[in-house]
Amino acid sequence: EAQVTQNPRYLITVTGKKLTVTCSQNMNHEYMSWYRQDPGLGLRQIYYSMNVEVTDKGDVPEGYKVSRKEKRNFPLILESPSPNQTSLYFCASSPYTSLNTEAFFGQGTRLTVV
Amino acid sequence: KQEVTQIPAALSVPEGENLVLNCSFTDSAIYNLQWFRQDPGKGLTSLLLIQSSQREQTSGRLNASLDKSSGRSTLYIAASQPGDSATYLCAVIQDTDKLIFGTGTRLQVFP
Repeated sequence: EAQVTQNPRYLITVTGKKLTVTCSQNMNHEYMSWYRQDPGLGLRQIYYSMNVEVTDKGDVPEGYKVSRKEKRNFPLILESPSPNQTSLYFCASSPYTSLNTEAFFGQGTRLTVV
Repeated sequence: KQEVTQIPAALSVPEGENLVLNCSFTDSAIYNLQWFRQDPGKGLTSLLLIQSSQREQTSGRLNASLDKSSGRSTLYIAASQPGDSATYLCAVIQDTDKLIFGTGTRLQVFP
C-alpha cells in the first residue's frame, strides 16, 4: 500500500531532551516536507526537501533540523525541544522535485513537551 | 503574501443535505489547489486536486470548482452522510515548494 508513515504517533517528552520523528514514504517520491498544525494557526511548513541531500527552510524552521540522506526517509529532529514545540506534526510527500501535483500526508505525530 | 480563508468555520447539517464549502485566496497566481479531509486522530486525506488550468474536478459525491481570477474554490458534497463528518481543508500551491492551507471547515452531519 502506498503511504507516508510517521513514527511515533504520540510522544510526550521533557524540555531539552533531543528527539527524532521519523517519516518514510514507499512511493519513490522526490519531494518531502514537514508541517506543524496548531489551533488558530493552521498548518505551517517547517522544512522541505526536493531531492536527496537537498533541504530548505519553510515558514517556521527555528528549533528544528532535518536530513535527507536517502529518498524514502525525511526525519525531523528537535535538538532541544521546548514547550512551544508542542504541536501536531505532519510529514508529506509528492512525486516530483517541485510541489506541483498531489501531496500525500502521513497520519501525524502528536508531540507534547513538558 | 498569500492568505487562504475558508467559510464557514463550522457547519452542522442533517443527513441528506447538499453542501457547499468555500475557500478563498488572495493571490490568483497559483499552480493548483487541493482539498483535504482531516479526521480526529488521523492524517490528512487528499480528496481532490485541481490544476490551475482546470475549472473543476469530481470524485464520487464530491465536486470541486476553481475560479482563479476571483480567488475562489468551492467543494460541493452531494447527499451528505454522517461519515462525511470531518474537518475539510483547502490548500494552494504558489511557489511549488509548499502548500498554503486555509483555516478549515469543521463539518458535522447528523442522522
